[in-house]
Amino acid sequence: ETGVTQTPRHLVMGMTNKKSLKCEQHLGHNAMYWYKQSAKKPLELMFVYNFKEQTENNSVPSRFSPECPNSSHLFLHLHTLQPEDSALYLCASSQDDARPNYEQYFGPGTRLTVT
Amino acid sequence: GQNIDQPTEMTATEGAIVQINCTYQTSGFNGLFWYQQHAGEAPTFLSYNVLDGLEEKGRFSSFLSRSKGYSYLLLKELQMKDSASYLCAVRDSNYQLIWGAGTKLIIKP
Repeated sequence: ETGVTQTPRHLVMGMTNKKSLKCEQHLGHNAMYWYKQSAKKPLELMFVYNFKEQTENNSVPSRFSPECPNSSHLFLHLHTLQPEDSALYLCASSQDDARPNYEQYFGPGTRLTVT
Repeated sequence: GQNIDQPTEMTATEGAIVQINCTYQTSGFNGLFWYQQHAGEAPTFLSYNVLDGLEEKGRFSSFLSRSKGYSYLLLKELQMKDSASYLCAVRDSNYQLIWGAGTKLIIKP
């Protein structure tokens, strides 16, 4: 595997379910990110981890819970979601979060539908 | 507040040239990125500009004017595979990336 991988690619869940999204990067990067992408809206940054420490939490509801066990893996735990949470969830990584010119490498995303 | 503006959609013809504009108002400026995102796929990095002027990379060029809060992405010799969304993002003074909503580019034969 190369780059940034995400599983599952598609997920349908009810509002009372608990599920987790997984992201893995094979690039030796130290920063990882969760984004939410809704149609015709800008990417919304949800969480940032730099060297395994959470450095950003953009007022995300507590029904989204991130976990970063090491610099290569990132999880997003989901519970009691709402229909408006249906979106594409993108994971990204970069060399670190402290240099302005470091680009982010994105995974293919998980298409989440909440019913 | 911070804001990035891009046209929602553009149409161009195969073999032609297209310019996608991006204007921004942000708290500080530490560079501007362009990404390409094909439908159902991950965004991929195209360019980074931090100084004024034009940066050329093959068929794609990116221009920046910091005084005007303005950038454009220029695509030459358009190919059908260039049909995608193009995302503009600015890194502000806190090093946070502020994203535009993207421009969907449709290429017609």
